[in-house]
Amino acid sequence: DAGVIQSPRHEVTEMGQEVTLRCKPISGHNSLFWYRQTMMRGLELLIYFNNNVPIDDSGMPEDRFSAKMPNASFSTLKIQPSEPRDSAVYFCASSLQGEGSPLHFGNGTRLTVT
Amino acid sequence: SQKIEQNSEALNIQEGKTATLTCNYTNYSPAYLQWYRQDPGRGPVFLLLIRENEKEKRKERLKVTFDTTLKQSLFHITASQPADSATYLCARSPGNTPLVFGKGTRLSVIA
Repeated sequence: DAGVIQSPRHEVTEMGQEVTLRCKPISGHNSLFWYRQTMMRGLELLIYFNNNVPIDDSGMPEDRFSAKMPNASFSTLKIQPSEPRDSAVYFCASSLQGEGSPLHFGNGTRLTVT
Repeated sequence: SQKIEQNSEALNIQEGKTATLTCNYTNYSPAYLQWYRQDPGRGPVFLLLIRENEKEKRKERLKVTFDTTLKQSLFHITASQPADSATYLCARSPGNTPLVFGKGTRLSVIA
């Protein structure tokens, strides 16, 4: 089992540019989560999907953020336009749907916006 | 709203001692709490889950307790080793909704 795969591992971009983060969940998992981690705020949930359908995107900071899950094996998080305050580590996690199911995290994408 | 707090940002202990990390929550009791370990540059890794009707859960050198009166969970690592040095995160959920995480406690076990 390869685990949750995120790409790229690091992304450095200039303010105003579009950024796309990618995630491949564990095969068979039907829930997918995008979290953002900063020193100040810790891990914050941005959005989650069940069976490829977005359930709650109330954590998405602004309209500049969007996420898609076109199929069970792929999801993207897009920031357009990016701003310096978006700099953080973005994690994707997947799990089996159900109460108490543990999350399996990828190793994150470290985004730096200059 | 759900809140979860880990009181210490950092904890240093001597090898061989028991490390105890604290997680406090506010408002209603979560249906369960989960504990994760995070190493630098890596994503969190699940360690243990404890439900609100359970007082204690063990796994090898790890022990988690859940006190709904104090609104607190304690995470213990017995016979700690330098390899246990990491950040430990607790997370809560009222049920079938996503986890809300604390900011974590960075544990350093000194040889």
